[in-house]
Amino acid sequence: DSGVTQTPKHLITATGQRVTLRCSPRSGDLSVYWYQQSLDQGLQFLIQYYNGEERAKGNILERFSAQQFPDLHSELNLSSLELGDSALYFCASSVDEGKRNTIYFGEGSWLTVV
Amino acid sequence: GNSVTQMEGPVTLSEEAFLTINCTYTATGYPSLFWYVQYPGEGLQLLLKATKADDKGSNKGFEATYRKETTSFHLEKGSVQVSDSAVYFCALISSGNTGKLIFGQGTTLQVKP
Repeated sequence: DSGVTQTPKHLITATGQRVTLRCSPRSGDLSVYWYQQSLDQGLQFLIQYYNGEERAKGNILERFSAQQFPDLHSELNLSSLELGDSALYFCASSVDEGKRNTIYFGEGSWLTVV
Repeated sequence: GNSVTQMEGPVTLSEEAFLTINCTYTATGYPSLFWYVQYPGEGLQLLLKATKADDKGSNKGFEATYRKETTSFHLEKGSVQVSDSAVYFCALISSGNTGKLIFGQGTTLQVKP
């Protein structure tokens, strides 16, 4: 158990819909990251927040958005869903901005768009 | 840009065989290098890391050495077990001040008894 908690574990939704994935980082960790794992794209970095502020952005679609709240939990919002958005979405956390300390991953949220 | 290339899988070995999974990278500056492992149905776990040239990371019998001259970070284990069956990901963080991990495509290891 990494200490990073993600909900829901599995989600099935229809095209065009909107979903929210939730992440609670390890106690004391200030950085939260979101990654997408799909068969064709592999593991792709989406976005990083550090202590409530956006720190780095990767290949995140405009239909996707994220935020980190004052209690440091984070949410990833996916809207106007397409079949190709079906993937495993990982949240991760670390104590600092990431270069020096270990980044811990949650078990992921499986999203299936039908 | 920064990238990581791993050997294609799946790799199938018998128990107690020697394992090598090749990983090479392209990056500016001095990246930190990592191996993560994903067991079936689970999230990613950090296996080992190295933060500067010639560093050797090791954990659970696995080793990898940061070779700047060949831009490589090959994973090795002297004697694999069935329980090592998993997907292994090589990754890097560039020398910038973020935790953005760039992953290779992953290599599936199957160990047969």
